[in-house]
Amino acid sequence: DAGVIQSPRHEVTEMGQEVTLRCKPISGHDYLFWYRQTMMRGLELLIYFNNNVPIDDSGMPEDRFSAKMPNASFSTLKIQPSEPRDSAVYFCASSLASGGRETQYFGPGTRLLVL
Amino acid sequence: GNSVTQMEGPVTLSEEAFLTINCTYTATGYPSLFWYVQYPGEGLQLLLKATKADDKGSNKGFEATYRKETTSFHLEKGSVQVSDSAVYFCALNPQAGTALIFGKGTTLSVSS
Repeated sequence: DAGVIQSPRHEVTEMGQEVTLRCKPISGHDYLFWYRQTMMRGLELLIYFNNNVPIDDSGMPEDRFSAKMPNASFSTLKIQPSEPRDSAVYFCASSLASGGRETQYFGPGTRLLVL
Repeated sequence: GNSVTQMEGPVTLSEEAFLTINCTYTATGYPSLFWYVQYPGEGLQLLLKATKADDKGSNKGFEATYRKETTSFHLEKGSVQVSDSAVYFCALNPQAGTALIFGKGTTLSVSS
């Protein structure tokens, strides 16, 4: 299996621009997670989906952030408009439900820099 | 609530030294516990896990035992290598169908 695929790997943009991050989970996995990693706050959950349905979006910072999962093999995280404080590494992870023992498999991350 | 506390880093060791990274947790119920490792510029990889009390997870010479009485899941390795230099994250899964809760990570630097 190719693992979790994220694109782009690096993104540099200017404040105010729209940014779209993409994720392809491992085939057959029914959970998909978006995390953000910063030096100050560590790893934070932004949102997660089960069978394409958003379950918990309480970690989404504000209305500028939105996430969709139109089908089982694709998800997007959009920031509009972007701000310098959004600079971080964004990880996508997927897992297959197994009663709480499931392992989450992480993608390589998207390194976002907002100037 | 649920939380994970890891020892602060960085941890600096010489090759072949013994490693311990402490991790304690707070959780309701019976969580699963994990150690993930992040090498520079990469995503997180599962290192080992334990799903019930007294289970020992092990991989690549690393071990951790799920201690319910002390709510701990300390990571150990008997002889570290330079290639073990990375950031290590302790995490818990409080219940089925929920996201992982991570500690802040501990940076390990091993010199030859």
